[in-house]
Amino acid sequence: EAQVTQNPRYLITVTGKKLTVTCSQNMNHEYMSWYRQDPGLGLRQIYYSMNVEVTDKGDVPEGYKVSRKEKRNFPLILESPSPNQTSLYFCASSLRDRDSYEQYFGPGTRLTVT
Amino acid sequence: AQSVTQPDIHITVSEGASLELRCNYSYGATPYLFWYVQSPGQGLQLLLKYFSGDTLVQGIKGFEAEFKRSQSSFNLRKPSVHWSDAAEYFCAVGSILTGGGNKLTFGTGTQLKVEL
Repeated sequence: EAQVTQNPRYLITVTGKKLTVTCSQNMNHEYMSWYRQDPGLGLRQIYYSMNVEVTDKGDVPEGYKVSRKEKRNFPLILESPSPNQTSLYFCASSLRDRDSYEQYFGPGTRLTVT
Repeated sequence: AQSVTQPDIHITVSEGASLELRCNYSYGATPYLFWYVQSPGQGLQLLLKYFSGDTLVQGIKGFEAEFKRSQSSFNLRKPSVHWSDAAEYFCAVGSILTGGGNKLTFGTGTQLKVEL
C-alpha cells in the first residue's frame, strides 16, 4: 500500500530534550516536506527536500533541522524543543513531475513539549 | 507571496442540505489549487485539485469545486451533505519550486458540522 508513515504518532517530552520524528514513504517520491498545524493557523511548511541531500527552509524553520540521506526518509529533528513547538506535525511527499503535484500526507505526530 | 483565505471558520449544515465552502487565493501566476479534508484524528486526504483546463473539477466523495479566476476563488461544493462529511476542510494553493515539486500554502481551515 502506498503510504507515508510517521513515528511516533504521539510524543510528550520536556524542554531541551532532543527528539527526532521519522518520516518514510514507499512511493519513490523525490519531494518531501514537513508541516506543522496549529489551531487558527492552518498548516505551515517547516522544511522541504527536492531530493537526496537537497533541503531548504519553508516558512517556519526556526528550531528545526532535517536531513535527507535516503530518498524514502526525511526525519525532523528538534535539537532543543521548546513549549512553542507543541503542535501537530505532518510529513508529506510527492513526485516532482508537473502533472503529479498531489502531496500525500502522513497520519501526523502530535508533540507536546512541557 | 501567495496566500489563501477561508473566511468561514465554522459552518453547520443539516444532513441532506447543500454545502459551499469558500476559498479565496492570492497568487501571481496561474495557481495550482487543492482542497483537502481532515477527519478527527486523521491526516489530510485530497478531495480534488485544479491545475488547468475545465474550471469545474470533480473530486471524491461527491465534492466539486469551481475555479473563478476573475474572483480569485476556488469554492468547494456538495449538493447533499452526509453526516460523515463532518470534518475540517483546507484549501491550498501550490507554487512550483525551482527544480520541481510544489509548496503548498494552506488556508486556516473551515470546520464543518453536520446536524442530523
